[in-house]
Amino acid sequence: AQRVTQPEKLLSVFKGAPVELKCNYSYSGSPELFWYVQYSRQRLQLLLRHISRESIKGFTADLNKGETSFHLKKPFAQEEDSAMYYCALSYNQGGKLIFGQGTELSVKP
Amino acid sequence: KAGVTQTPRYLIKTRGQQVTLSCSPISGHRSVSWYQQTPGQGLQFLFEYFSETQRNKGNFPGRFSGRQFSNSRSEMNVSTLELGDSALYLCASSLAGTGPGYTFGSGTRLTVV
Repeated sequence: AQRVTQPEKLLSVFKGAPVELKCNYSYSGSPELFWYVQYSRQRLQLLLRHISRESIKGFTADLNKGETSFHLKKPFAQEEDSAMYYCALSYNQGGKLIFGQGTELSVKP
Repeated sequence: KAGVTQTPRYLIKTRGQQVTLSCSPISGHRSVSWYQQTPGQGLQFLFEYFSETQRNKGNFPGRFSGRQFSNSRSEMNVSTLELGDSALYLCASSLAGTGPGYTFGSGTRLTVV
């Protein structure tokens, strides 16, 4: 079965430190991977898609098919990055996203 | 442009009742998906509609149903409510539902007492 695993429920770092939020998936085909972010009292919003290979708000993520991972990285964390981050997988047409349990990122001053 | 609008924002129902939630997608978006979010189970896919047809369905009992109208607005219905149905129900829309860049609504918080 398709699954997305985010091993860390909470990740706490200091401002300016590097951040890596881990995401592993299980799917034998070619999935599409996403990172969504939910800031306090705001709606869930798309942060990154692996096919676009872009950097948003300083975050990047590389799909590693060999390790079935899609870790989210940022070299220097900012306090405004504090939020819930969800990794998600889509493997067919039809709008079904499989989400990980989420990682709460807390960036301390 | 207006975002995804979900109504109502909050709802309190009694066990055994039924409830209908509404979602208005972004103008021009034809795909609407529904998700249930709970602290224990996280975000779980309920179903997706595209051009008034259910195209994909998650692993939820038949008490959960939905539909989509010709203007792409969607409703989901939960019959015979159980305490465990208490959750935040999220709706998301996209142009076609392929390779989604889905836009999510703020959700409807359903509490079953």
